[in-house]
Amino acid sequence: GAGVSQSPSNKVTEKGKDVELRCDPISGHTALYWYRQSLGQGLEFLIYFQGNSAPDKSGLPSDRFSAERTGGSVSTLTIQRTQQEDSAVYLCASSLVRPASGPTGELFFGEGSRLTVL
Amino acid sequence: AQSVSQHNHHVILSEAASLELGCNYSYGGTVNLFWYVQYPGQHLQLLLKYFSGDPLVKGIKGFEAEFIKSKFSFNLRKPSVQWSDTAEYFCAGGYQKVTFGIGTKLQVIP
Repeated sequence: GAGVSQSPSNKVTEKGKDVELRCDPISGHTALYWYRQSLGQGLEFLIYFQGNSAPDKSGLPSDRFSAERTGGSVSTLTIQRTQQEDSAVYLCASSLVRPASGPTGELFFGEGSRLTVL
Repeated sequence: AQSVSQHNHHVILSEAASLELGCNYSYGGTVNLFWYVQYPGQHLQLLLKYFSGDPLVKGIKGFEAEFIKSKFSFNLRKPSVQWSDTAEYFCAGGYQKVTFGIGTKLQVIP
């Protein structure tokens, strides 16, 4: 597609339930990022995928959070046993990687998935 | 660890006032620095970027930023703001892992 697509745009769930958030990056972008945006907290880095390399998971806040990227394209962020503090907007971004110089770091963002945990 | 920090969390200006938002970075090596903007109800979009070369970079909508290596700074400037510049501005940096500052909410009063 023309831009980064995320689904669902809104998700309301009960505490303790699992949720899956999906991201479809821009075609040809091999780098993919997940961030969490909470009120007053800015953008919190969660995870970064680049091609077939092992993902950088250093930002995942707990083992309840996991993400995978299938076929180097679509990514799914899974939050198990959701807690109220997980309520936030989860943003996905993709980026182009130049063969000679590597990732540019110029990110293209989706609209985000707003998660509300009751 | 690489990081960026923003100093002004909420700025209120009148139209035509000059703007400067502070950003400092704390890592060496390859320096990729960005300013992103999020207009109300819209997704984040790139305002300008610095990878190398001329330290004064110009972006969209009359914004510019200056990379000062000695001060580890990459401040965003605009000589005369408009009401339509009301938005949240994020400084960001990194080569692969891109980290963001906490953001600065700019409110421009007509």
